[in-house]
Amino acid sequence: AQSVTQLDSQVPVFEEAPVELRCNYSSSVSVYLFWYVQYPNQGLQLLLKYLSGSTLVESINGFEAEFNKSQTSFHLRKPSVHISDTAEYFCAVKNNAGNMLTFGGGTRLMVKP
Amino acid sequence: DTEVTQTPKHLVMGMTNKKSLKCEQHMGHRAMYWYKQKAKKPPELMFVYSYEKLSINESVPSRFSPECPNSSLLNLHLHALQPEDSALYLCASSQSPPGLAGGGGTDTQYFGPGTRLTVL
Repeated sequence: AQSVTQLDSQVPVFEEAPVELRCNYSSSVSVYLFWYVQYPNQGLQLLLKYLSGSTLVESINGFEAEFNKSQTSFHLRKPSVHISDTAEYFCAVKNNAGNMLTFGGGTRLMVKP
Repeated sequence: DTEVTQTPKHLVMGMTNKKSLKCEQHMGHRAMYWYKQKAKKPPELMFVYSYEKLSINESVPSRFSPECPNSSLLNLHLHALQPEDSALYLCASSQSPPGLAGGGGTDTQYFGPGTRLTVL
């Protein structure tokens, strides 16, 4: 069995400030990790993913996440946020036994001017 | 192209109505999914279709009836719903079906924009 914990349900931050959204997982086997973003009244969009190789992965809009196996974490970071980054962010995990996604509870990022 | 489309965007229905949600993908994916998402919650898996056959039903009430007419289309037929069924219904697809031993884990699930359903 696998599970995902997003430690913060809401993260308020001022525009241009750095942000970190935390994600921890548990699994007895190797995992693949994903961050999805959901803008208001929209579906989920893949932000970035870790499958193998370099533990630091980046998205096209300035987000990055680092896979830390020893701490079973996959925290999402951005050095300077914009108002348009306001959204719900979901961390998710799959293992190599199949293709079922397990989601964390989500973190609402609220960027204030 | 990584697009999954869903229609309609919004749907309001009474408890005695029959309606259908539609999902389409043209990426050649062999697995398609229905999720239900309540406000401020993560998506909850409802059904999985693998190679056009229902492979997973997460104990969903029979008032929800999925259908996969072909490899690109997925429908969700709704009948006699309850107000608590109001939610965002998301469709997703992936290249490989779930449970594929030794593989499938690296596949990304691509989500559609969802149908916002309100049951009066």
